[in-house]
Amino acid sequence: DAGVIQSPRHEVTEMGQEVTLRCKPISGHNSLFWYRQTMMRGLELLIYFNNNVPIDDSGMPEDRFSAKMPNASFSTLKIQPSEPRDSAVYFCASSLGQTQETQYFGPGTRLLVL
Amino acid sequence: RKEVEQDPGPFNVPEGATVAFNCTYSNSASQSFFWYRQDCRKEPKLLMSVYSSGNEDGRFTAQLNRASQYISLLIRDSKLSDSATYLCVVNRFADKLIFGTGTRLQVFP
Repeated sequence: DAGVIQSPRHEVTEMGQEVTLRCKPISGHNSLFWYRQTMMRGLELLIYFNNNVPIDDSGMPEDRFSAKMPNASFSTLKIQPSEPRDSAVYFCASSLGQTQETQYFGPGTRLLVL
Repeated sequence: RKEVEQDPGPFNVPEGATVAFNCTYSNSASQSFFWYRQDCRKEPKLLMSVYSSGNEDGRFTAQLNRASQYISLLIRDSKLSDSATYLCVVNRFADKLIFGTGTRLQVFP
């Protein structure tokens, strides 16, 4: 069975450019989470969706970040314009239900903004 | 103060050793607790849940102390393959997971 799928796996871009990260959750899971991981701050929740509806976006750093989930099998995280401090690993995770117990993570997207 | 705090390590131990990690959490309303494992340049994966009565899974034992608000993970008979970062995770009721920054373990031959 396929796990959580993320693309691209690596992204190098220049400051000011738009970056779009993509995620396909595990089929049948109805909660989806976007995390950012850095050495300094660890793993931080940016936003999560339940049944395609954003539930908590309090972790989204600023207006440059936006996320959508148009259907149960696809989500995007967009950064526009990107800045060097956005360089991090971005993980998408999914889980059954809203209790957020076992979350299954994708392999992550390593983003470097020059 | 961070909501979940862990000693970053690294803990360098020989094969066969027993090693323990502790984690403290600040929100007394926290309801669920977990340990996740993250290998270098990989995604986190659930290692085990932590129950109030303590629980064991093979060489791994997890304990919860609600009064002192800390969680522990004990690894017995360490293997080289146990080398990883161990993330302490706390879930407030019907709320999001809060991850600690992790404790790095390196097991050497």
